Amino acid sequence: EAGVTQFPSHSVIEKGQTVTLRCDPISGHDNLYWYRRVMGKEIKFLLHFVKESKQDESGMPNNRFLAERTGGTYSTLKVQPAELEDSGVYFCASSQWTGKGGELFFGEGSRLTVL
Amino acid sequence: AQSVTQLGSHVSVSEGALVLLRCNYSSSVPPYLFWYVQYPNQGLQLLLKYTSAATLVKGINGFEAEFKKSETSFHLTKPSAHMSDAAEYFCAVSPALDDKIIFGKGTRLHILP
Repeated sequence: EAGVTQFPSHSVIEKGQTVTLRCDPISGHDNLYWYRRVMGKEIKFLLHFVKESKQDESGMPNNRFLAERTGGTYSTLKVQPAELEDSGVYFCASSQWTGKGGELFFGEGSRLTVL
Repeated sequence: AQSVTQLGSHVSVSEGALVLLRCNYSSSVPPYLFWYVQYPNQGLQLLLKYTSAATLVKGINGFEAEFKKSETSFHLTKPSAHMSDAAEYFCAVSPALDDKIIFGKGTRLHILP
């Protein structure tokens, strides 16, 4: 069974440009999460989808970030326009149910470098 | 609010020696606690989790962790380190009734030959 896949693995863009990150969760997983790790800091929650609905987007830094999950399958995270402080590794995770202690399965991450 | 503190951003142990990675949590309700590991160029992988069933939790690759409520700790241990254990380890907490996971800053484990 395929795990969580993320694309691209690494993206280098200039400040002001737009980047779209994609996450394909494990088939059948209704829950999809985005996390971000800025260098040297902790992994921070961005948002949580249940199917196509945003369950919790309290971690989204600002309105330059837009996440979508049309049809409740894959998800995209767009950064427009990108700023230097957006550099980091963006992780996607999926799980089969909400509630206590459900295991999240993580992708390998998409590394974003903004110059 | 829940939070996690990992003591030591880098820990070095000799091959065959005890591994001890420290984690303290803060939670206003009984927490769910996790240890994740990230090997080079890979995603995060669940090592073990505490869900109130037993205070001593055994995970993959010989790791275990003990939940100590009185010390608000969830330290990760392994009796004998192996070179393949070199990775970054993250302690995390999940609030009850919510599966949003809050991570610590991570501890990079180095294994010395």
